[in-house]
Amino acid sequence: QVQLVQSGAEVKKPGASVKVSCKASGYSFTSYYMHWVRQAPGQGLEWMGTINPSGGSTSYAQKFQGRVTMTRDTSTTTVYMELSSLRSEDTAVYYCARASGFGLLYGMDVWGQGTTVTVSS
Amino acid sequence: QSVLTQPPSASGTPGQRVTISCSGSSSNIGSNTVNWYQQLPGTAPKLLIYSNYQRPSGVPDRFSGSKSGTSASLAISGLQSEDEADYYCAAWDDSLNGSWVFGGGTKLTVL
Repeated sequence: QVQLVQSGAEVKKPGASVKVSCKASGYSFTSYYMHWVRQAPGQGLEWMGTINPSGGSTSYAQKFQGRVTMTRDTSTTTVYMELSSLRSEDTAVYYCARASGFGLLYGMDVWGQGTTVTVSS
Repeated sequence: QSVLTQPPSASGTPGQRVTISCSGSSSNIGSNTVNWYQQLPGTAPKLLIYSNYQRPSGVPDRFSGSKSGTSASLAISGLQSEDEADYYCAAWDDSLNGSWVFGGGTKLTVL
């Protein structure tokens, strides 16, 4: 079955960076784009960006441009999301979510379990 | 402030039918399809409806979606206690460089 397994919770200080991983299994890794979505405590969902696991091209939300980097490793079917210059407002649960097809306009169908990132001094 | 507008809350009694609205604009719902997600407390979102009204396998037919112009709706019939959750609509937005946008979420309470 399609499964996305994310790395564990992180606690970071303001100004630091965090890198979250998302290991995919149960489907052809390079045939589906992957989104990253975050959810601050008690808040709604926010799209951060998307990566094409085949070629590695990315599309980032304007809000995160310059601070976020999404990469992939096809040998381990894993995608990564790194967020730098962390501030307290980045405290959130970060989700990877498979796109339902090969393209940016395909929405999220299968979601990872989420990774809690806490930014605190 | 979310790009897509949903009511913050909705409620119903078991067996009732409830609807949740999602209002957008010509750059998102007006020109692209809508997905709906269900998020049970403490869990990741789950795809409920895609392409306006399609249900993934395993989603009960009690859940249905529709779209008209720049608005979409999610209907839940035969309400059950396990339907108590947060519901989000989402769509691609063509403005600027394009982005995925979500509604602010609707908390459904089963009375």
